[in-house]
Amino acid sequence: KNEVEQSPQNLTAQEGEFITINCSYSVGISALHWLQQHPGGGIVSLFMLSSGKKKHGRLIATINIQEKHSSLHITASHPRDSAVYICAVGSGETSGSRLTFGEGTQLTVNP
Amino acid sequence: DTGVSQDPRHKITKRGQNVTFRCDPISEHNRLYWYRQTLGQGPEFLTYFQNEAQLEKSRLLSDRFSAERPKGSFSTLEIQRTEQGDSAMYLCASSLVYYGYTFGSGTRLTVV
Repeated sequence: KNEVEQSPQNLTAQEGEFITINCSYSVGISALHWLQQHPGGGIVSLFMLSSGKKKHGRLIATINIQEKHSSLHITASHPRDSAVYICAVGSGETSGSRLTFGEGTQLTVNP
Repeated sequence: DTGVSQDPRHKITKRGQNVTFRCDPISEHNRLYWYRQTLGQGPEFLTYFQNEAQLEKSRLLSDRFSAERPKGSFSTLEIQRTEQGDSAMYLCASSLVYYGYTFGSGTRLTVV
């Protein structure tokens, strides 16, 4: 069993739909990251959180430390949101420690 | 500061050759990480530096792999006697100890 598991692996949505990607982890963490990866490889950090909820534009990330679960929500999805979304956890002593990654969720938003 | 830069972006090499990749982190970041990502998988940790000290190495990092960060600035990752299984995206990231990550665009290695 992987330390970080994401679901679903693949997700196809119509433009405008509300999207949820889930992440469960089995280790103690200092912080959880949500990352976005476009074709070509570059990774962009979307959120780093250790408790509660964060919002940036149409993106919302939540974390439940007791349940070891996090969700990434995208409201009013758009084709440009199509990418791989990766959950990663830092289990070191600080939020800047090395990360363990999930396998990613491939999101495709159709117009 | 333009973020974390990696060079080259793509490298094709013949099996058995040596390759070296470079990563230039954000200048004020004291931690630098190397990860490897194969197709369809999430990245896997290889090694990290705090300043010039290499603090942790994954067991994925065989004797053919070596990483350096002289003077705590840029870092190099060298792979000797490349094998086809080394084909992957090699990602560099940097961070401050109590802050989040910035990733580079990666170096895609193809061993033929």
